[in-house]
Amino acid sequence: GAGVSQTPSNKVTEKGKYVELRCDPISGHTALYWYRQSLGQGPEFLIYFQGTGAADDSGLPNDRFFAVRPEGSVSTLKIQRTERGDSAVYLCASSPGLAGGRDTQYFGPGTRLTVL
Amino acid sequence: AQKVTQAQTEISVVEKEDVTLDCVYETRDTTYYLFWYKQPPSGELVFLIRRNSFDEQNEISGRYSWNFQKSTSSFNFTITASQVVDSAVYFCARYSSNSNSGYALNFGKGTSLLVTP
Repeated sequence: GAGVSQTPSNKVTEKGKYVELRCDPISGHTALYWYRQSLGQGPEFLIYFQGTGAADDSGLPNDRFFAVRPEGSVSTLKIQRTERGDSAVYLCASSPGLAGGRDTQYFGPGTRLTVL
Repeated sequence: AQKVTQAQTEISVVEKEDVTLDCVYETRDTTYYLFWYKQPPSGELVFLIRRNSFDEQNEISGRYSWNFQKSTSSFNFTITASQVVDSAVYFCARYSSNSNSGYALNFGKGTSLLVTP
């Protein structure tokens, strides 16, 4: 079956601009996660959705970052007033949402964001 | 967050050699979950294995094997008879049933494995 998909694969923007990154999870997965991966580092957690609601947003670095999942499927990560330090690969993962969230996360290919 | 340490930044081996990737984790929990993921040059993280803290049996899957030692808080990964296609960055990760970080995966910094012909 289809895996997690993310669009765009690459996004180049200028400092101060607004960007949206999209994630389409595996069909039927109720849990969705966003991570950010800087060069040479492991992914770092940003936010977790169970269904439509953000169950844990403790990883969002500041209020310029926001994510939604209005219908419990596709999610959009929104970054306002982008800064050069936001440049990274943004990864999305989904899981079945069983066992209280302690199940296996499957990752998409990521969106590489470059802020000039 | 409770740390995951992958002390080996880069490893280079010649094809057909065996190689072990180390992972040491911190835990204050009685129940926790450990993972290994592979990230090839294409960038997508590929799930390899999930391990529960209450199951200490080692596991083998083809050329891959995992050694889980609760006494030393280690979850090491061995590739037997390595192949060029094994070249990738490998990440060890964990989350806990009662962690304050919710259901987030906490990753190590990764070990970059290069297998040369």
